[in-house]
Amino acid sequence: DTAVSQTPKYLVTQMGNDKSIKCEQNLGHDTMYWYKQDSKKFLKIMFSYNNKELIINETVPNRFSPKSPDKAHLNLHINSLELGDSAVYFCASSQDLQTNQPQHFGDGTRLSIL
Amino acid sequence: RKEVEQDPGPFNVPEGATVAFNCTYSNSASQSFFWYRQDCRKEPKLLMSVYSSGNEDGRFTAQLNRASQYISLLIRDSKLSDSATYLCVVNPKDSSYKLIFGSGTRLLVRP
Repeated sequence: DTAVSQTPKYLVTQMGNDKSIKCEQNLGHDTMYWYKQDSKKFLKIMFSYNNKELIINETVPNRFSPKSPDKAHLNLHINSLELGDSAVYFCASSQDLQTNQPQHFGDGTRLSIL
Repeated sequence: RKEVEQDPGPFNVPEGATVAFNCTYSNSASQSFFWYRQDCRKEPKLLMSVYSSGNEDGRFTAQLNRASQYISLLIRDSKLSDSATYLCVVNPKDSSYKLIFGSGTRLLVRP
């Protein structure tokens, strides 16, 4: 009964390829997020969607394109992968946009670019 | 100045010890504060929210000092299972929907 699940768990691919990461939550939450955690362990917000609407779009290269087909799903597509994209990508969800709500994280996708 | 700053540690303490971490934030208008815990190669998990009046959950006590713009986490009677990285999390402004995560303080509890 995983609350926030993301696939794949590991992704190893070559520079220049295009890849997607999928995320689903079964908590009935309205808001979903994508975070990037780099080798220095900084966890940075990339995108946030509320009821399929884009709310937060940080200064992320436009090679990264999120898509939310419904409020339970938020996928991340990455074009023309670069070495600097190597990181752990976490999906998360919260009840709504109120920032006093806790965020529930998926167990991460470890992306390695060769 | 970073929006959220933490001492990276590691804090190396024996079982049973009391240990405290501080975290400073730069925006005085910050509204929401949390401590998350992240185990090695795992996802962050909410440990506790931090309220203005301070709050306690078992061996864990969180405090907020708005005047000095810091929050603290106190762990009493440390257990081996408390070994993890503790992330300080702040909502920088009321009009922003995002949370800012500190880089974490690593705790190692030894037998």
